[in-house]
Amino acid sequence: GDSVTQMEGPVTLSEEAFLTINCTYTATGYPSLFWYVQYPGEGLQLLLKATKADDKGSNKGFEATYRKETTSFHLEKGSVQVSDSAVYFCALSDRGDFNKFYFGSGTKLNVKP
Amino acid sequence: GAGVSQSPSNKVTEKGKDVELRCDPISGHTALYWYRQSLGQGLEFLIYFQGNSAPDKSGLPSDRFSAERTGGSVSTLTIQRTQQEDSAVYLCASSGRQGLSFSGNTIYFGEGSWLTVV
Repeated sequence: GDSVTQMEGPVTLSEEAFLTINCTYTATGYPSLFWYVQYPGEGLQLLLKATKADDKGSNKGFEATYRKETTSFHLEKGSVQVSDSAVYFCALSDRGDFNKFYFGSGTKLNVKP
Repeated sequence: GAGVSQSPSNKVTEKGKDVELRCDPISGHTALYWYRQSLGQGLEFLIYFQGNSAPDKSGLPSDRFSAERTGGSVSTLTIQRTQQEDSAVYLCASSGRQGLSFSGNTIYFGEGSWLTVV
């Protein structure tokens, strides 16, 4: 069945460092891919998404490219800020059943000043 | 409404009591989901509604948990005879097809209901 695997955290970086959070997926069809962010004490918010191969989702300086050949959707940011400290979840939505969502286990990011 | 609304935002209950958590999805969204998130953990899928029916109840952890949705809108998650291990954040989310063509479905979350069983 469909699934999402993301790197375990926590990830600790200094401010202005480069961020990569790995995400790979398994899907029988052609899913849409998402990154959600959860700030402390809050619910999950959509960060970015991509709906087909080679699409790049971007928002707030974060980017992720839908790579069908490597079944990956890695999250990147060139220069992180303390305010980026949060838990990041990778997810997919199955086109075959567009209401099915699968989430990774989440990766906690700590950014130190 | 503009976003997914959940109530109560915080609930402290005594062990053995029943609790009801309410979710009001985004207007027009046909799909509604309940997830549970224990402290420092990922998302645990509980149940999914399409309209008023629940094609996937596979995540409900025990028969103390039940959920219903009426009028294709508001949903209630009920936990009977609460236990301390039920303490968690209960997240509701909704989604709906965007336009006539498949343009990438998106799931939107509420702020969650923080349940503490003492």
